[in-house]
Amino acid sequence: QSALTQPASVSGSPGQSITISCTGASSDVGGYNSVSWYQQHPGKAPKLMIYEVSNRPSGVSNRFSGSKSGNTASLTISGLQAEDEADYYCSSYTSSSTSYVFGTGTKVTVL
Amino acid sequence: EVQLVQSGAEVKKPGESLKISCKGSGYRFTNYWIGWARQMAGKGLEWMGIIYPGDSDTRYSPSFQGQVTISADKSISTAYLQWSSLKASDTAMYYCARLREYQVLYPNCFDPWGQGTLVTVSS
Repeated sequence: QSALTQPASVSGSPGQSITISCTGASSDVGGYNSVSWYQQHPGKAPKLMIYEVSNRPSGVSNRFSGSKSGNTASLTISGLQAEDEADYYCSSYTSSSTSYVFGTGTKVTVL
Repeated sequence: EVQLVQSGAEVKKPGESLKISCKGSGYRFTNYWIGWARQMAGKGLEWMGIIYPGDSDTRYSPSFQGQVTISADKSISTAYLQWSSLKASDTAMYYCARLREYQVLYPNCFDPWGQGTLVTVSS
């Protein structure tokens, strides 16, 4: 069972939009609508940002949105703000271990 | 308020055993899966495994199968992560997290998370 593949880093200027990809396989991302995204600031626990591909928990800004096409899920942050600078991880249910798997993580830098 | 509170930081020597804990409150502990994740310094999150406290159904990620033991004590609403013989490479932050939706393994997501337990293994 391999980690899902994310770009190591993505950057953007304040106000811009960025998209982070999360590529897996038909046994995880492509096979289940169980993709979620987590934001982690340095020294803090992860925070749920998106669940079941495109749903936002209450309290999460509508600047965050999620989607999926085939074996690749995506997280888009629009109107980028300084507070969005953090690490982001995708996660999916996987039938290969009947459990969950994380992505490799993406560092978002606000220029 | 749903909360997971983890035990405090540990400093151990190679070869020693260790059991860290994650206490749930504000919800029916037996009916929600709880998972454990490892984060080594400067590295990404890795799922280790997950347990359903109601019947102790436990699933391990292949990388951690046989390396750790995940368990739960329903009577005190606490999940555990245990090592029988620690290695220096076990040095990391460990997080527990509860699956958000009642009973089901998927589709689901992890929320909330515990605050993390730092484990340091050094001679």
